[in-house]
Amino acid sequence: DQQVKQNSPSLSVQEGRISILNCDYTNSMFDYFLWYKKYPAEGPTFLISISSIKDKNEDGRFTVFLNKSAKHLSLHIVPSQPGDSAVYFCAASGDYGGATNKLIFGTGTLLAVQP
Amino acid sequence: GAVVSQHPSRVICKSGTSVKIECRSLDFQATTMFWYRQFPKQSLMLMATSNEGSKATYEQGVEKDKFLINHASLTLSTLTVTSAHPEDSSFYICSASVSWGTQYFGPGTRLTVL
Repeated sequence: DQQVKQNSPSLSVQEGRISILNCDYTNSMFDYFLWYKKYPAEGPTFLISISSIKDKNEDGRFTVFLNKSAKHLSLHIVPSQPGDSAVYFCAASGDYGGATNKLIFGTGTLLAVQP
Repeated sequence: GAVVSQHPSRVICKSGTSVKIECRSLDFQATTMFWYRQFPKQSLMLMATSNEGSKATYEQGVEKDKFLINHASLTLSTLTVTSAHPEDSSFYICSASVSWGTQYFGPGTRLTVL
């Protein structure tokens, strides 16, 4: 059972335009969400997070939006740069099963920013 | 800040041997470290959660006698793959928890079992 889903395996965007990566989750106990960027053969790099008490968090070119009623979050990157090309994972955590900081990862979306 | 290292970055071993992978938090103390495995074109799968000074908690389906985890200090956790077999070949990644919910990841270790 995939509790965190990224339905788009890949996305291609022109440099300078907006990249929108989507993520859906099923477990209503999740209350903290994160986005990570990953290059091949490297560990994920933390980008931005949001707690369930907010609906938006912004950090430079990266903004995460959370819609709790829809159990949906998205990552906006604007303007997109070629260096943003990587696999993006969303992850969720919450007080379920007693492990409050255990992360459940989505399947990832490969973003390609075309120059 | 929040730098996590892993050693080795790549290891090739013969079937039946044991391999130890180290995970260190370089500039912070981590009470909790996590071990993940990633197969090609798949997501990161949590193997176990490691708390300093206590036994690791393994995810369902992960053999604790095969994947030995030791978290001896607030900056070091080790994963030992015992009696490795080719199906254990994978990319192993550790992470350390700094604050609630946020984990910082190491660069990963590519294990190839011949």
